[in-house]
Amino acid sequence: DAGVIQSPRHEVTEMGQEVTLRCKPISGHNSLFWYRQTMMRGLELLIYFNNNVPIDDSGMPEDRFSAKMPNASFSTLKIQPSEPRDSAVYFCASRVGTGRETQYFGPGTRLLVL
Amino acid sequence: LAKTTQPISMDSYEGQEVNITCSHNNIATNDYITWYQQFPSQGPRFIIQGYKTKVTNEVASLFIPADRKSSTLSLPRVSLSDTAVYYCLVGDTKNTDKLIFGTGTRLQVFP
Repeated sequence: DAGVIQSPRHEVTEMGQEVTLRCKPISGHNSLFWYRQTMMRGLELLIYFNNNVPIDDSGMPEDRFSAKMPNASFSTLKIQPSEPRDSAVYFCASRVGTGRETQYFGPGTRLLVL
Repeated sequence: LAKTTQPISMDSYEGQEVNITCSHNNIATNDYITWYQQFPSQGPRFIIQGYKTKVTNEVASLFIPADRKSSTLSLPRVSLSDTAVYYCLVGDTKNTDKLIFGTGTRLQVFP
């Protein structure tokens, strides 16, 4: 299995631009998670989906962030407009089953907003 | 979700056994203890999970005393490739989907 796939791996953009991060979960996994990691705040859960339905988006920092999961094999995290403080590594993770099962993380997207 | 406390950093040498202790005084009855490992420029990776006593797999052992207020991750005979950040997480993983990552312990292994 290829594991969780994220694209792009690196993104550099200017403040005010729209940024779209993409994630392909492991086939057969029914839960998908988006995390953000910074030096200051560590690893934070932004939002997660079960069976393509958003369950908890309480970690989404503000309305500039939105996430979708149109089908079981694809999810996007969009930032519009982007700001320098959004610079971070964004991880996508997927899992089969319920909470006790292991979450498998992707390689991350390193975002730099200038 | 119970708060966890673990050392910020630890140093070791190749071939030594490393024990990382995590404190979770407010652990609830249904909570499990899970450890993840994160290498630089990679996402976290599951290492081990347990509820009580001792759990062992091919990577590590997890020791949990009877009161469950702490746990110890044991890495036998570490190598340079074990240099990573290790996260201790506590939660009711049967009834919650969330993983709450703390600051973790940065382990540095020297030759």
